[in-house]
Amino acid sequence: QSALTQPASVSGSPGQSITISCTGTSSDVRGYNSVSWYQQHPGKAPKLMIYDVSYRPSGISNRFFGSKSGYTASLTISGLQAEDEADYYCSSYTSSSDVVFGGGTKLTVL
Amino acid sequence: EVQLVESGGGLVQPGRSLRLSCAASGFIFDDYAMHWVRQAPGKGLEWVSGIDWNGGSIGYADSVKGRFTISRDNAKNSLYLQMNSLRAEDTALYYCAKDRLYNWNNVVSDYWGQGTLVTVSS
Repeated sequence: QSALTQPASVSGSPGQSITISCTGTSSDVRGYNSVSWYQQHPGKAPKLMIYDVSYRPSGISNRFFGSKSGYTASLTISGLQAEDEADYYCSSYTSSSDVVFGGGTKLTVL
Repeated sequence: EVQLVESGGGLVQPGRSLRLSCAASGFIFDDYAMHWVRQAPGKGLEWVSGIDWNGGSIGYADSVKGRFTISRDNAKNSLYLQMNSLRAEDTALYYCAKDRLYNWNNVVSDYWGQGTLVTVSS
């Protein structure tokens, strides 16, 4: 199963909004509403930010918004803050009965 | 407070075996599916395996199918990963993760441990 496609890096200034894309196929992203997004700071374990495309776990800021259109899921972060600087990964269930992650996107807050 | 503590990692020669454990606390362990996810040094996340709340359904990544076996002991609140025929490319930090629901193919890991490092090298 090939990894989902994410941009290697994105950047934005504090207060701005950014969007990270996650492109898959009909066998994963397009076929299932099981896209999740994880945030990972250096040396730390991943943290769930979005699940089932657009749902936020308890305690996650509403500055984080998830969506999906066709083969591409997206994570939008509004009102960028310094602490948002991290790596972000998307994941999806697949028709092969396994799970695929994206390659990860490094978010830099300028 | 949910806690997941992995153990069992270390340096192992190619072709040998290793068994990872994950001790869970702070939640009703047998209500939830569990996963193993790994991360090679400097690389991204890779799902390894998932198991339903009662072990009745299990999934594996193609890269480990036939070599790794996931299991759980609900009486001991513990998750395991038996890794056989280890290869250099299995070198990674292995995370134990709790799912939001009881079935592993929900694939939403809402809590993660800090990981245990496995290094496969001669």
